[in-house]
Amino acid sequence: QVQLVESGGGLVKPGGSLRLSCEASGFTLSDYYMSWIRQVPGKGLEWVSYISSSGNTIYYAESVKGRITISRDSAKKSLYLQMNSLRAEDTAVYYCARYNYDSGRRMDVWGQGTLVTVSS
Amino acid sequence: SYELTQPPSVSVSPGQTATITCSGDKLGNKYVCWYQQKPGQSPVLVIYQDNKRPSGIPERFSGSNSGNTATLTISGTQAMDEADYYCQAWDTTSYVVFGGGTNLTVL
Repeated sequence: QVQLVESGGGLVKPGGSLRLSCEASGFTLSDYYMSWIRQVPGKGLEWVSYISSSGNTIYYAESVKGRITISRDSAKKSLYLQMNSLRAEDTAVYYCARYNYDSGRRMDVWGQGTLVTVSS
Repeated sequence: SYELTQPPSVSVSPGQTATITCSGDKLGNKYVCWYQQKPGQSPVLVIYQDNKRPSGIPERFSGSNSGNTATLTISGTQAMDEADYYCQAWDTTSYVVFGGGTNLTVL
């Protein structure tokens, strides 16, 4: 069964750091691009970052550039999101998703999400 | 930055056809996909590459894309289709772009 499970969310103070993890099962992580998407509760989806299957190509949304780092460890079947200098506006549910990067680029598998709350 | 615009809400009667639009500059030159998100759940891909359905998605879901507008059509809408729907495209400058979402009400 193809599955993604996020972890690492929680309450953090403004300016703090947090590392999210996403463990993949049911498919070979190293064969796929992967992405992080976030959603403020009650609001829409916002793309955060994606990383190529090799890890050599990485893109970030302007809203997080310089504060967030995406990485992957195929041996551990995991995707990561290191978040630094967190702000209140980073409060959201963070989803990892498999980013199928063929001719019709799409997020075809999503995790259940992990909630990050930035508050003093 | 590239933007996709969706109507905030659409209403449809059960059994009727629901149409949700997504607008963007020269959107017809890009591939569009659509996601369904029910309350408390993660998004689910329902259409990709403008009009392709992933396995397991009912045939009543279809898509089109031309000019500046992509359209998600749900034929014979059922109560279980009530959800938020998001369009998404890839842009060379903004990379992954989502529309603001449309809340579909079946009443």
